[in-house]
Amino acid sequence: KAGVTQTPRYLIKTRGQQVTLSCSPISGHRSVSWYQQTPGQGLQFLFEYFSETQRNKGNFPGRFSGRQFSNSRSEMNVSTLELGDSALYLCASSLVPTAPYEQYFGPGTRLTVT
Amino acid sequence: AQTVTQSQPEMSVQEAETVTLSCTYDTSENNYYLFWYKQPPSRQMILVIRQEAYKQQNATENRFSVNFQKAAKSFSLKISDSQLGDTAMYFCAFGNNNDMRFGAGTRLTVKP
Repeated sequence: KAGVTQTPRYLIKTRGQQVTLSCSPISGHRSVSWYQQTPGQGLQFLFEYFSETQRNKGNFPGRFSGRQFSNSRSEMNVSTLELGDSALYLCASSLVPTAPYEQYFGPGTRLTVT
Repeated sequence: AQTVTQSQPEMSVQEAETVTLSCTYDTSENNYYLFWYKQPPSRQMILVIRQEAYKQQNATENRFSVNFQKAAKSFSLKISDSQLGDTAMYFCAFGNNNDMRFGAGTRLTVKP
């Protein structure tokens, strides 16, 4: 069974631009969560989607948004990029939302904002 | 809100020895789950071990075991017979039906 895939793996953008990241969950998984990982802040929860609906949202500004499609694939969008948005963005999928089911992580998209 | 604290940013251990990584959490809930995830350098995060809060017995997975102290809200990870491949960032996480929180991580280096 294929794992969680994220595209692109690496991205360089300029301040003010917008970016869209994609995540394809493991087949059969209906829940997708997004995290931002930085050396200073660790792993921070962005949002979680289940059955095309956002279930939870972390403490991030409205510039961060996401959606989930009927095939469970998910995208996250960051508008008006800031230098501080440089991070590794991780996507994780699970059968159904959160605990107790294990979350399977993708390799991440490393976003660099210059 | 739930919080997870890992007080050891970095640790090291000699190959074949035992090391314990600490984690404390704060919650007012009674039903939840605790996890340890491992993130090797430049590799994907994988689940190491999981503990259900309603179970008193500590979870064990081969060389990995936990010491779960519910009253103290403590969830430490013990790695026995450390191997070079155990070198990684280790994240403690708290989860329930509505939330998943991760600690800041502990960078473990296994020395030959």
